[in-house]
Amino acid sequence: DQQVKQNSPSLSVQEGRISILNCDYTNSMFDYFLWYKKYPAEGPTFLISISSIKDKNEDGRFTVFLNKSAKHLSLHIVPSQPGDSAVYFCAASASHSGGSNYKLTFGKGTLLTVNP
Amino acid sequence: EPEVTQTPSHQVTQMGQEVILRCVPISNHLYFYWYRQILGQKVEFLVSFYNNEISEKSEIFDDQFSVERPDGSNFTLKIRSTKLEDSAMYFCASRSFPTSASETQYFGPGTRLLVL
Repeated sequence: DQQVKQNSPSLSVQEGRISILNCDYTNSMFDYFLWYKKYPAEGPTFLISISSIKDKNEDGRFTVFLNKSAKHLSLHIVPSQPGDSAVYFCAASASHSGGSNYKLTFGKGTLLTVNP
Repeated sequence: EPEVTQTPSHQVTQMGQEVILRCVPISNHLYFYWYRQILGQKVEFLVSFYNNEISEKSEIFDDQFSVERPDGSNFTLKIRSTKLEDSAMYFCASRSFPTSASETQYFGPGTRLLVL
């Protein structure tokens, strides 16, 4: 049951270029999306998020785009730096009426390698 | 910057033994979660906890699992009788009172549990 899919297990880019990480989802109830960065033996670190009422959110070098009709989101990192090398997880949550558990459903992650 | 902490960082136990994983969420947060990641797999939701009770649990969270908030700061996950397949990285996460600006969950560094 892959409600959140990251179809690229790995991505390699040159320092200074753009990194584009993609994520697709199938559950139309998802209304909040997040990107986490994870280094080995550490917990996921929150990077950026977007609500379903928006189609773009920007924070410094990181921009997330949401295409609700295609059920697709992407994370753009410009310019990419060697320190960005990590596993990037896409996650999604759905608000529930009468409560807000907001459990996260994760994709399998994409290993980004930024080469100097 | 406030952060979620977890202890121990590593735990090795024999099959059938009880383990308790501990977490200290961010102090003003009200929602607490446990997730796990089996090696090579995606991060999976286990349980959410709010107002001193479980608000949602996954099918993984069977009778062998329990959670508790014994005092104002700690949040624990207990596995009563560990199985080999419980070997995983266990992450605690917390979230503040839900508004559109605060749906982000912040994760701890994880406890690596190895059941022999």
